[in-house]
Amino acid sequence: QSALTQPASVSGSPGQSITISCTGTSSDVGGYNYVSWFQQHPGKAPKLMIHDVSNRPSGVSNRFSGSKSGNTASLTISGLQAEDEADYYCSSYTSSSTVVFGGGTRLTVL
Amino acid sequence: QVQLVQSGSELKKPGASVKVSCKASGYTFSSNSMNWVRQAPGQGLEWMGWINTNTGNPTYAQGFTGRFVFSLESSVSTAYLQINSLKTEDTAVYYCMRDLSMLRFDYWGQGTLVTVSS
Repeated sequence: QSALTQPASVSGSPGQSITISCTGTSSDVGGYNYVSWFQQHPGKAPKLMIHDVSNRPSGVSNRFSGSKSGNTASLTISGLQAEDEADYYCSSYTSSSTVVFGGGTRLTVL
Repeated sequence: QVQLVQSGSELKKPGASVKVSCKASGYTFSSNSMNWVRQAPGQGLEWMGWINTNTGNPTYAQGFTGRFVFSLESSVSTAYLQINSLKTEDTAVYYCMRDLSMLRFDYWGQGTLVTVSS
């Protein structure tokens, strides 16, 4: 199972919006509504930001939103803040009943 | 409150074995599966597999069969990851995480750094 494809890096200025894409296949992202997004700050454990494509866990800012179109899922962060600077990973359920992660995207807040 | 607390860092020689523990508290241990993820230095997350905390049945991802063993000690709400015949490329941080349902990995352990070096 190949890793999902994410851009290596994205950047934005405070207050702006950015979108991180996560491209898979019809056997994972496109085939199921089980896409999650995780935020990881340096030296810390990942944190769940979005599950089931577009659902936010309690406590996660509504500046974070998720969507999916075909084989590509997306994470959008609006009103960018300095604290959003981190690595972001997508994950998806697969037709093999396994889980696959994306390669990760480094978000830089300029 | 839900917590997953992992054992401390390990330094091992190639060929040795290591056993990482993940102690759960704040919820019914058998209610949710436990998953494991590897993160090599400077690299991304790699899903290793999961263990059914009801039955003890493990499922391993491709690339993590043979030397990797998931187990439970349900009486103390603890999951274990054992890695046998360690290789230098096993050097990584290993995380356990609870799966609330279908990739809803809502709680993570703090991570355990395993360093394999001669």
